[in-house]
Amino acid sequence: GAVVSQHPSRVICKSGTSVKIECRSLDFQATTMFWYRQFPKKSLMLMATSNEGSKATYEQGVEKDKFLINHASLTLSTLTVTSAHPEDSSFYICSASGRANEQFFGPGTRLTVL
Amino acid sequence: AQTVTQSQPEMSVQEAETVTLSCTYDTSESDYYLFWYKQPPSRQMILVIRQEAYKQQNATENRFSVNFQKAAKSFSLKISDSQLGDAAMYFCAYRSASRGGADGLTFGKGTHLIIQP
Repeated sequence: GAVVSQHPSRVICKSGTSVKIECRSLDFQATTMFWYRQFPKKSLMLMATSNEGSKATYEQGVEKDKFLINHASLTLSTLTVTSAHPEDSSFYICSASGRANEQFFGPGTRLTVL
Repeated sequence: AQTVTQSQPEMSVQEAETVTLSCTYDTSESDYYLFWYKQPPSRQMILVIRQEAYKQQNATENRFSVNFQKAAKSFSLKISDSQLGDAAMYFCAYRSASRGGADGLTFGKGTHLIIQP
């Protein structure tokens, strides 16, 4: 089956620093990847759509300068949370669009900003 | 914009019994996909079942089946012979098919399913 990995699985950082989260499709090429955010006991909210070789498309209300997305290859998308603050603490999940446009999810990254 | 509503924050069922989780959605599109995802405590999203809107036949996957009512915009999930491993958060999700399915998912708020031994 299609496997998507995320790294790191959890990260703790100080307020004001930047954090990079990687999302990789391990056994298939994904022209489109998606980034979601999930608060505790809440649903997943789509943050942005990442297309290989082009700029990401952000959902309304998502700060594109805060959440930088790069999709440099068909197997890797990165999300950088810039100048992180405690309110950015959350669970970030990526998914990659594979065959038949089915989306395969990564295991998520828990970000804690102190 | 599309919306997905799950009106049951929590459901409880006895092991081996059947439970139905509700989901309604709102859209002006005619072609789309609907999904049920399971999220166990590990938080890994697991696809349970999918339904293409153009298909009238309800999707089934072993013990999981859906009741898709397109006119009513309803998409419920039935779990038969509930097992302890079914305990998890269940999310209903919608995806447009207008761009070949290359859109992100819109999720409902989820239903926490408890299985009583």
